[in-house]
Amino acid sequence: DGGITQSPKYLFRKEGQNVTLSCEQNLNHDAMYWYRQDPGQGLRLIYYSQIVNDFQKGDIAEGYSVSREKKESFPLTVTSAQKNPTAFYLCASSTLPGQGQETQYFGPGTRLLVL
Amino acid sequence: LAKTTQPISMDSYEGQEVNITCSHNNIATNDYITWYQQFPSQGPRFIIQGYKTKVTNEVASLFIPADRKSSTLSLPRVSLSDTAVYYCLGASAAGNKLTFGGGTRVLVKP
Repeated sequence: DGGITQSPKYLFRKEGQNVTLSCEQNLNHDAMYWYRQDPGQGLRLIYYSQIVNDFQKGDIAEGYSVSREKKESFPLTVTSAQKNPTAFYLCASSTLPGQGQETQYFGPGTRLLVL
Repeated sequence: LAKTTQPISMDSYEGQEVNITCSHNNIATNDYITWYQQFPSQGPRFIIQGYKTKVTNEVASLFIPADRKSSTLSLPRVSLSDTAVYYCLGASAAGNKLTFGGGTRVLVKP
């Protein structure tokens, strides 16, 4: 898992509740990413950030929000607007594109379940 | 960013070589080809990356022909623990979004 931690491993959400997933990295990477994975499917990009205090929407950003106040941290909030949040959420980090043959390093994931 | 296409699944037996081919017809000049491995309920893990010709490491080999419109991941002498999903991705040096498709589910049988 290469220096990326995600917590919690499992998270339960009640209807109408916002929940926040934690992602921390000690790889000194500038870029961080959040992906969603549904059963039997590939990964879909939610949000990404290349620098502190800046982030961009990915392919499925609706119902999610992020912040990047520190280089090491990129928390993801699943809001009540996300009507189908049950999924496996993966955080990743990499060096900035253009600095070499960037590869993404993934955390162990958080599985979110709706009660 | 290159769109990639790869087979949905492949079956193999222990000790055999597994070759997974990925098509990326619209690959850009700056795109590298990167392969990841994912086990159930874990994050993907980097396997190998290349730009052209052949790259080999302790885990796999990657063959990329001159036109770079496809690539083949080769897993030598697979074991049961190689059962996983393998993703082929195009990673642009100028961009920062990896596009993950459904991957190829490889099942290694005893």
